[in-house]
Amino acid sequence: GAGVSQTPSNKVTEKGKYVELRCDPISGHTALYWYRQSLGQGPEFLIYFQGTGAADDSGLPNDRFFAVRPEGSVSTLKIQRTERGDSAVYLCASSSDRGLYNEQFFGPGTRLTVL
Amino acid sequence: AQSVTQPDIHITVSEGASLELRCNYSYGATPYLFWYVQSPGQGLQLLLKYFSGDTLVQGIKGFEAEFKRSQSSFNLRKPSVHWSDAAEYFCAVGGGSYIPTFGRGTSLIVHP
Repeated sequence: GAGVSQTPSNKVTEKGKYVELRCDPISGHTALYWYRQSLGQGPEFLIYFQGTGAADDSGLPNDRFFAVRPEGSVSTLKIQRTERGDSAVYLCASSSDRGLYNEQFFGPGTRLTVL
Repeated sequence: AQSVTQPDIHITVSEGASLELRCNYSYGATPYLFWYVQSPGQGLQLLLKYFSGDTLVQGIKGFEAEFKRSQSSFNLRKPSVHWSDAAEYFCAVGGGSYIPTFGRGTSLIVHP
């Protein structure tokens, strides 16, 4: 596709369960970002990949959160032992290279609800 | 640390009226500044950005923004609002880091 896609669009899970959220960036984009957007707030940075490696994971809230990008394209955000406070929209963005002068293109997000 | 304040949670305007959305930032050097729009079910879309040069920046969909260093502001404007402009608008600031910091957003409501 032409844009960033994220699956699933909605995910409902129970407290304590494990979830995986997928992001397909724009083809050829080397930089990939994950953000979390809580209700009534702006996106908050979680982790950034340049190629296959996590260049900056300083935004991950705790060790229950982990993300991978094994082939430098698709990325998966993994959340273990989910908590109700993890409920939010998880956004993925990609850009042609690192640096703020390279526009970040956002996907529509995955809405995660933890019951 | 960089931060953004969008003081208005909601703004209501009539279709055809002018619009100004406020954004104040905190950053120690010359910032990179952005405005994004988010429609329901859609990803954030970049409206415009400021890196350097002319402080009045033109963007897509008829929007513009003016960087005022003395006021640490980057307000978004549009001379005539259309009903399709109803959405959430986010201001963001960045600098030495490649990670932008977003404000909490302003919800724009357009009355017919």
